[in-house]
Amino acid sequence: DAGVTQSPTHLIKTRGQQVTLRCSPISGHKSVSWYQQVLGQGPQFIFQYYEKEERGRGNFPDRFSARQFPNYSSELNVNALLLGDSALYLCASSYRRATNEKLFFGSGTQLSVL
Amino acid sequence: TQLLEQSPQFLSIQEGENLTVYCNSSSVFSSLQWYRQEPGEGPVLLVTVVTGGEVKKLKRLTFQFGDARKDSSLHITAAQPGDTGLYLCLGAFRDLLQGAQKLVFGQGTRLTINP
Repeated sequence: DAGVTQSPTHLIKTRGQQVTLRCSPISGHKSVSWYQQVLGQGPQFIFQYYEKEERGRGNFPDRFSARQFPNYSSELNVNALLLGDSALYLCASSYRRATNEKLFFGSGTQLSVL
Repeated sequence: TQLLEQSPQFLSIQEGENLTVYCNSSSVFSSLQWYRQEPGEGPVLLVTVVTGGEVKKLKRLTFQFGDARKDSSLHITAAQPGDTGLYLCLGAFRDLLQGAQKLVFGQGTRLTINP
C-alpha cells in the first residue's frame, strides 16, 4: 500500500510569491494535518482537516490556508512568502481525528524562499 | 500557549550506555506520542500514552506518562548505533477557546550513538 505522498519534494520560490503544496493520504484515511519543520527544530502544527472541514489550527498567520478535497487529499497554500517560511512542510494522515490516533507522515516538501 | 519542553536537545553517547529523554509541559495533555525521525524522512510513531502513570515498553525503549499527564520520558537501555535519530514528543490537547484540537511537538532530541 502507498504511504502518504507529498508533492513536490523540493521547491524554490522568491519572497512575495505564492506556493501550493499537495498531500495524498493513505487510502481510507480521512484526517490530514500539516506541519512546518524548520531545520534543527521539531515540527509545528499548522492545520488539521477531517472530512473536508478544518478541525484544528496552529498559531500561523492568515497567509497560510489549506483545504481538503472529497477524495481526502489536501493542499496547503502560503501567500506572500517570507524568507522565514523556508522549511520542511510535512503532511500526516490518520484514519480518524482522535488525539491518540497514529499519524503517518510523508517525507515532506522542502521549501526554500530566496 | 501550550509548550512542550524537550531535553536534552543533543545527546551523544557510546554504544551500550543508557539514556533518558524528557518532555515537560505546564499543560495537561489528553495524549502524548513519541516519534523518531530519520534525515529526509517524516517522523515514525514509536508509542502513544494516554493514561496518567502509564508505562509502555518497546524492546529496549521504555516510555512513561506522568501521573498528571504533563510530562513524559523515554528511556533507552543499552543504546545501539541504530537508535541514532531525532526523537520527538507530540502532545495533544483541546484548545478551550477555539474548541478545537491542537497538536504540539517538542523541539526534538538529536541522539547519536557512537560505536
